[in-house]
Parts: sequence; structure tokens; C-alpha cells
Amino acid sequence: AQSVAQPEDQVNVAEGNPLTVKCTYSVSGNPYLFWYVQYPNRGLQFLLKYITGDNLVKGSYGFEAEFNKSQTSFHLKKPSALVSDSALYFCAVRDMNNNAGNMLTFGGGTRLMVKP
Amino acid sequence: SAVISQKPSRDICQRGTSLTIQCQVDSQVTMMFWYRQQPGQSLTLIATANQGSEATYESGFVIDKFPISRPNLTFSTLTVSNMSPEDSSIYLCSVGGGPDTQYFGPGTRLTVL
Repeated sequence: AQSVAQPEDQVNVAEGNPLTVKCTYSVSGNPYLFWYVQYPNRGLQFLLKYITGDNLVKGSYGFEAEFNKSQTSFHLKKPSALVSDSALYFCAVRDMNNNAGNMLTFGGGTRLMVKP
Repeated sequence: SAVISQKPSRDICQRGTSLTIQCQVDSQVTMMFWYRQQPGQSLTLIATANQGSEATYESGFVIDKFPISRPNLTFSTLTVSNMSPEDSSIYLCSVGGGPDTQYFGPGTRLTVL
């Protein structure tokens, strides 16, 4: 079975400061890892993914995430937060060795609040 | 990338009625997925729909409550049957662009009174 944990329901950060949204995962094989963002009354938007290769992945809107296999983590980061980054962020995982299909398992979500 | 549209975007329904949600994709895809996002919650997979076969339901979801159609490679419907207020959620259609890619529709916001 595969699972994802986002330990923080909400993260508060001041505009201009760096932000981190935490994610840890559990899979039996090797993971595909994803971050999605959901703005109010909008669908999910893809931010970035880790498949293989460099552990530091760069994505949309200046976000990046670091894959850490030993800690089974995939934390989302941004060097300088913007008020417009305020949204709900979801981490998701798929087991590369899962032959049951392309099912994504999502974390519980973390609400990011960036204050001016 | 795939462009996904859903109809309706939102609806308010009475208890005991049913609502059918449509999902249209701008390209042919093998697998389509239906997710539910209850208020303040994460996304939960309801079922996987392959064209030409019965949908595969996740634990806790049954075909009588959430019948799914997949008549062709670009379209699917999800029906929420005999609705109760507990069914109030956002329902999202999703398609896989490959094992490392998944796209989501804008969602259908359902409120059951």
C-alpha cells in the first residue's frame, strides 16, 4: 500500500520569507512524487514531480522540492513567498512498481497562508 | 497535456435525487479516474474507469451509489445516486498522461440540501 503524510494542516509565512511545506511518503517500491496546488474554487494544478534523476526538482511559479530517499520525504520549498502563493497544497505519490494502475494517493493537504 | 472539462461546475440538489457529472477530455485516454474531495478534506479515489470494461471501485464506494459510464476514450460520467447531505463534495475527473503524469478537471461542486 502507498500513503502520504502532510504533518501540517496550515503553514503561515510572511511575504518575502522562505517557505517549506512538508511531505513524507510510504511505498513498497520506488516512488513517483507530485505536488499539486488548489486555489479557491479551482481545480488541482500540477506544480512539479519527481520521477528519477536529480533529487532537487524545480517546478512552476518558483517552487521546488527535494526528494530525500533516506527520510522518505519530498518537501516543497520556495525561497521567497508571495501573497498569491496562498492556497491549498497537496503532495501525492504513486508506486512505480504498482501494476494496479496509475492511481495517485494524496496527502491530507496543507493550507499555506502568506501574509503581507 | 490534456485539457479536461466537467459539467456542471456546481449544483445544489435535494436529498434523495441523483446527479450525473460529465467529464470530457480533449484527447483519447485509456484510464479515467473519479475523485471526491469532501469539505476540508483531501482527495479520495472513487473509481477507475477504463473504456469498454466495468469501472473498478475503491473500498467504501459501490456501483449502486456511484454508477460510472465510459462510452468512449474521451468521455465519462459519474452519477451520485440517492443523494444525502454527506455527499456534498467536490467531484474531480482525472486522466493519466502516462505513469508519471496526471491531469485534473476543474471539479464539480455539489451541495445536497
